[in-house]
Amino acid sequence: EDQVTQSPEALRLQEGESSSLNCSYTVSGLRGLFWYRQDPGKGPEFLFTLYSAGEEKEKERLKATLTKKESFLHITAPKPEDSATYLCAVESGGSYIPTFGRGTSLIVHP
Amino acid sequence: GAVVSQHPSRVICKSGTSVKIECRSLDFQATTMFWYRQFPKQSLMLMATSNEGSKATYEQGVEKDKFLINHASLTLSTLTVTSAHPEDSSFYICSARPILGGGGYTFGSGTRLTVV
Repeated sequence: EDQVTQSPEALRLQEGESSSLNCSYTVSGLRGLFWYRQDPGKGPEFLFTLYSAGEEKEKERLKATLTKKESFLHITAPKPEDSATYLCAVESGGSYIPTFGRGTSLIVHP
Repeated sequence: GAVVSQHPSRVICKSGTSVKIECRSLDFQATTMFWYRQFPKQSLMLMATSNEGSKATYEQGVEKDKFLINHASLTLSTLTVTSAHPEDSSFYICSARPILGGGGYTFGSGTRLTVV
């Protein structure tokens, strides 16, 4: 059974204070790892897909990296508008059903 | 990019009535769509996998007769909450991924259901 664990559950940062969110996973044959951002009362917004260890992707202040056991979402010089819940999900083997972690709630104070 | 439209965004209904939620892929076709339920400050709970032209696959503990799913075309899936009760009040979200091409799943904007 695929498992996804995200840490920390909640993170408070000051504007400009860089940090990282962690997503640890256990799967039988990773097909893809996904990062999403979710604002309150809205559906998740797709950020990145990573397929193999060593892969990295960037978008504005966000950078996602992947190893064989975990993924990190690095946030550089965050702004208050980066405040949201960040969800990680994995898809494995022959299954097209993603397994989601519980998310990290990020609050960036001005 | 891929867009999924979900309607309505909010609905209030009386106990015992039924509510239909629509999920449409606007610019791509999807043989599979997923329906999730989300409680406050919790992650997504997969309810069922909607398959175009065939029966939906429900997760353990989800009542098939209460949450009716229909995937009549490659761009439309509907979730009907039948005989709704206050405990069905929740945030319901659908997602889909294009048949062709990779990338992540696209989510709808969600439906806030309140049963009074």
